[in-house]
Amino acid sequence: GAVVSQHPSRVICKSGTSVKIECRSLDFQATTMFWYRQFPKQSLMLMATSNEGSKATYEQGVEKDKFLINHASLTLSTLTVTSAHPEDSSFYICSARRRQGFADTQYFGPGTRLTVL
Amino acid sequence: AQSVTQPDIHITVSEGASLELRCNYSYGATPYLFWYVQSPGQGLQLLLKYFSGDTLVQGIKGFEAEFKRSQSSFNLRKPSVHWSDAAEYFCAVGGNNNDMRFGAGTRLTVKP
Repeated sequence: GAVVSQHPSRVICKSGTSVKIECRSLDFQATTMFWYRQFPKQSLMLMATSNEGSKATYEQGVEKDKFLINHASLTLSTLTVTSAHPEDSSFYICSARRRQGFADTQYFGPGTRLTVL
Repeated sequence: AQSVTQPDIHITVSEGASLELRCNYSYGATPYLFWYVQSPGQGLQLLLKYFSGDTLVQGIKGFEAEFKRSQSSFNLRKPSVHWSDAAEYFCAVGGNNNDMRFGAGTRLTVKP
């Protein structure tokens, strides 16, 4: 149990285009999902918290108009990188929070490698 | 503010040798602690977690970790490392609202 998928796993796009990444919790409902960005050989940086049915909460320094997040259902959150530029190239990882007793655990997707030419 | 420190950026061990990866945390309340493993180009897989109770936590793949409040540590151990354990390991701390913070990671290389 606790499987999280991401689609696509890899995407290459031209500068100026928009890219949508999907994050799905396959066997549990997640009212909260998280989006992270990871640069090569570095740790994960939390970008935003995605809440089902409400607006996402963005971390300081993350442009909400550039990284659009939609959490339309209890099993799906999407991240859209708008007007992508080469500096947006990165590994994007989502996680879904699963409530287990009195505490929660985040389960991670396999990540999406974005390359902007 | 919560934070996690993994003092070792890179560790190399021989296959069959024991392993200990260090993790120190700073957290204002009772921490929830996690260890994740990441293979190249992959997402993170949960190895184990500590919420409360027994301070020695058993995880998957033969890993265990011990929570030591007095040392603010949550070190990961494995008695005998396999070549397939080569990966990046992340320690993380979070609260009940799961505002999780990750350490910088420790890259494990396993020598034949």
